[in-house]
Amino acid sequence: EAQVTQNPRYLITVTGKKLTVTCSQNMNHEYMSWYRQDPGLGLRQIYYSMNVEVTDKGDVPEGYKVSRKEKRNFPLILESPSPNQTSLYFCASRITGGGTEAFFGQGTRLTVV
Amino acid sequence: TQLLEQSPQFLSIQEGENLTVYCNSSSVFSSLQWYRQEPGEGPVLLVTVVTGGEVKKLKRLTFQFGDARKDSSLHITAAQPGDTGLYLCAGVKRNAGNMLTFGGGTRLMVKP
Repeated sequence: EAQVTQNPRYLITVTGKKLTVTCSQNMNHEYMSWYRQDPGLGLRQIYYSMNVEVTDKGDVPEGYKVSRKEKRNFPLILESPSPNQTSLYFCASRITGGGTEAFFGQGTRLTVV
Repeated sequence: TQLLEQSPQFLSIQEGENLTVYCNSSSVFSSLQWYRQEPGEGPVLLVTVVTGGEVKKLKRLTFQFGDARKDSSLHITAAQPGDTGLYLCAGVKRNAGNMLTFGGGTRLMVKP
């Protein structure tokens, strides 16, 4: 089954404790993205990657890092999480950029206390 | 200020009513997509419109892309409780790395 898998689904952590949210897709898509979703703001792009070893900042990259060492995986790293990073995070993948369909994971709800 | 403004933000209607959701921008997009999101899930694509003035129909849903490719609308005829959800428009700009930029969303509730 074609899918995007995120882990964990839920995470509560403390300020400053490094964490990684994993994302994996089995569709051989080149393009992967991370978004955060906050009430009334829709989905805002954090980082995106057009292929292996190619990453770029989205609209809200501060406080986040990503890596793309393999085509299927695109982890999101919070080196020193802060309460303003409490949010619902989604990973997505597409065949290429442009108007192709984005497939989303089920989301990771992160709470930083 | 968001690049894509959706209105209304919230909509609560009775089953059988019609409704229109708007997605507006001052920017031109190479294509525009509409997604629907249910609680606990990621967004799922409904439609992609590419050509200015394009109209696409998906059962009781009608999507239109503005002539200038800056705006779009989603019209639902005879809404049903199963239409309840968060509707998101998203624009693609080729000169911005083909980033997909989302509007703030319209939360629709259809009451039986």
